[in-house]
Amino acid sequence: SQQGEEDPQALSIQEGENATMNCSYKTSINNLQWYRQNSGRGLVHLILIRSNEREKHSGRLRVTLDTSKKSSSLLITASRAADTASYFCAAASGGSYIPTFGRGTSLIVHP
Amino acid sequence: GAGVSQSPSNKVTEKGKDVELRCDPISGHTALYWYRQSLGQGLEFLIYFQGNSAPDKSGLPSDRFSAERTGGSVSTLTIQRTQQEDSAVYLCASSLTEDTEAFFGQGTRLTVV
Repeated sequence: SQQGEEDPQALSIQEGENATMNCSYKTSINNLQWYRQNSGRGLVHLILIRSNEREKHSGRLRVTLDTSKKSSSLLITASRAADTASYFCAAASGGSYIPTFGRGTSLIVHP
Repeated sequence: GAGVSQSPSNKVTEKGKDVELRCDPISGHTALYWYRQSLGQGLEFLIYFQGNSAPDKSGLPSDRFSAERTGGSVSTLTIQRTQQEDSAVYLCASSLTEDTEAFFGQGTRLTVV
């Protein structure tokens, strides 16, 4: 069964705007990772956040984790057309460290 | 190598034939994962290796699927008697330990005709 579920399924914004994607999961996690995928091939690793962390940053990316709500969010600030891609969260939960993926959010950034 | 390497990049095979997919993880990474992704879908977990052992094979969809890892490095995923529903992109990832970032290869696109 899928552990991470992203919301929304699709997001369309203008260049320069911020994009926020959410991920919900069902059971307590060990860690949660966010990935970007272009053109249905390899996934690019963005950020890993552990269960004892609340926020992490990498460049224009900000990931938050709320374990009480069993959710995480990925914020992309000042979006660019090159950010157009599918974004996935992958949660490693319970006694397992295997990343379990959701169906992803498709982000389109219009120039 | 610098990243996870998968071969072949693309594979077209006839229904009923066997195929082998290869994954070269990042050097020194102990954990290795296989997933598959059908068009427009998320990633479906297949199997996980820690070193040469496979503590979790729960995702393998049928007994036609098998995988091995030798020397704690290269892994091969074998699909016997391929079916059309096996068509997908097969992705491999590796991580230094089980609790660190998992990095993916570019995948093998398998088409069964």
